[in-house]
Amino acid sequence: AQTVTQSQPEMSVQEAETVTLSCTYDTSESNYYLFWYKQPPSRQMILVIRQEAYKQQNATENRFSVNFQKAAKSFSLKISDSQLGDTAMYFCAFNSGYALNFGKGTSLLVTP
Amino acid sequence: DAGVIQSPRHEVTEMGQEVTLRCKPISGHNSLFWYRQTMMRGLELLIYFNNNVPIDDSGMPEDRFSAKMPNASFSTLKIQPSEPRDSAVYFCASSPLSYGYTFGSGTRLTVV
Repeated sequence: AQTVTQSQPEMSVQEAETVTLSCTYDTSESNYYLFWYKQPPSRQMILVIRQEAYKQQNATENRFSVNFQKAAKSFSLKISDSQLGDTAMYFCAFNSGYALNFGKGTSLLVTP
Repeated sequence: DAGVIQSPRHEVTEMGQEVTLRCKPISGHNSLFWYRQTMMRGLELLIYFNNNVPIDDSGMPEDRFSAKMPNASFSTLKIQPSEPRDSAVYFCASSPLSYGYTFGSGTRLTVV
């Protein structure tokens, strides 16, 4: 079974600063996808960034980037220039077939 | 595209009553998923449809839960009879492939 672990239940960061959220996963698969989803208080699940395991280059989307370490099975999310609107739950997710397996989430608070 | 549409957004019902949650996936997406989110268990996959056919329902908690997808544009999740422990947020998601899931806004179900 694939498991996804997010070891930081809560984090806070000041506006304009950089924060990194951690995620590790366990799998015996070689081909898979990794995702970070954002869930603001509106509860909408929003895809932030996606990484294909066969790609060595780390994915980036504007202020969001990942550090994908395949050998270490690590997939961290870096948010640069944090904004108040980044306050949300962040979920790391793994997919090697059809279903997404989610971590328990990290609650991120961005303070002024 | 309007995205994945779920209804109702909120549902409050009494224990023992039947509850039906509805989902309209994105046109052209051939995969549909129902997830349940609770504080204790996080996000859990309940059932997966591909081309309107249920492929994996191993996550459905018990016989009180049933899901249907009569056509490519509509799916329902029914709970009969409902119990207080069914209180959760239920998400529907659709995908054209094994990645790129789009979630609906979810239905918050409260069973009293």
